[in-house]
Amino acid sequence: NAGVMQNPRHLVRRRGQEARLRCSPMKGHSHVYWYRQLPEEGLKFMVYLQKENIIDESGMPKERFSAEFPKEGPSILRIQQVVRGDSAAYFCASSPGTGNFNEQFFGPGTRLTVL
Amino acid sequence: GNSVTQMEGPVTLSEEAFLTINCTYTATGYPSLFWYVQYPGEGLQLLLKATKADDKGSNKGFEATYRKETTSFHLEKGSVQVSDSAVYFCASMDSNYQLIWGAGTKLIIKP
Repeated sequence: NAGVMQNPRHLVRRRGQEARLRCSPMKGHSHVYWYRQLPEEGLKFMVYLQKENIIDESGMPKERFSAEFPKEGPSILRIQQVVRGDSAAYFCASSPGTGNFNEQFFGPGTRLTVL
Repeated sequence: GNSVTQMEGPVTLSEEAFLTINCTYTATGYPSLFWYVQYPGEGLQLLLKATKADDKGSNKGFEATYRKETTSFHLEKGSVQVSDSAVYFCASMDSNYQLIWGAGTKLIIKP
């Protein structure tokens, strides 16, 4: 059973470009979470999605960031008009459900560098 | 809001030394607590967890006990190996899905 897949692993963008980060959850998992890790900091929750629904986006910046998890295909985290401060590692996790007994399984992360 | 604070790194030890990485939390209720490990170039892996006070999580020789009175969840291992070199993250679960993370502690084990 393949784990959580993220691609690309490394992404370089110039200021003003768009970044698209993809996450394929583990088989059988319908819950996806995105976290961001800024340099020298811990991870910060961004958004929680289920298929075709955004459940909690309280950690998402109000502008330029969006996320989706369509019925078919991977979850996408989209950052429009990137700025240098968006440079970070973005981790995706998936789980079969929620609650204390539903472990979140993490992907390897996408490291975004904005020049 | 809820938060997690953990020991700053890097922590450098010799092989077979005793390891402690401190972690404390603040929360309005009684969160579940976790230790994750990130090996170089890899994603985060759950190392151990505890869901209520006085629970002890253990895995691969690592242990941590949920201490409500000191709001702590310190990670310990009796004899570390070079292969334990990694970054260790302490986290609490807020509500039913949102993980609150410490900043991570880099552990370096020298042969």
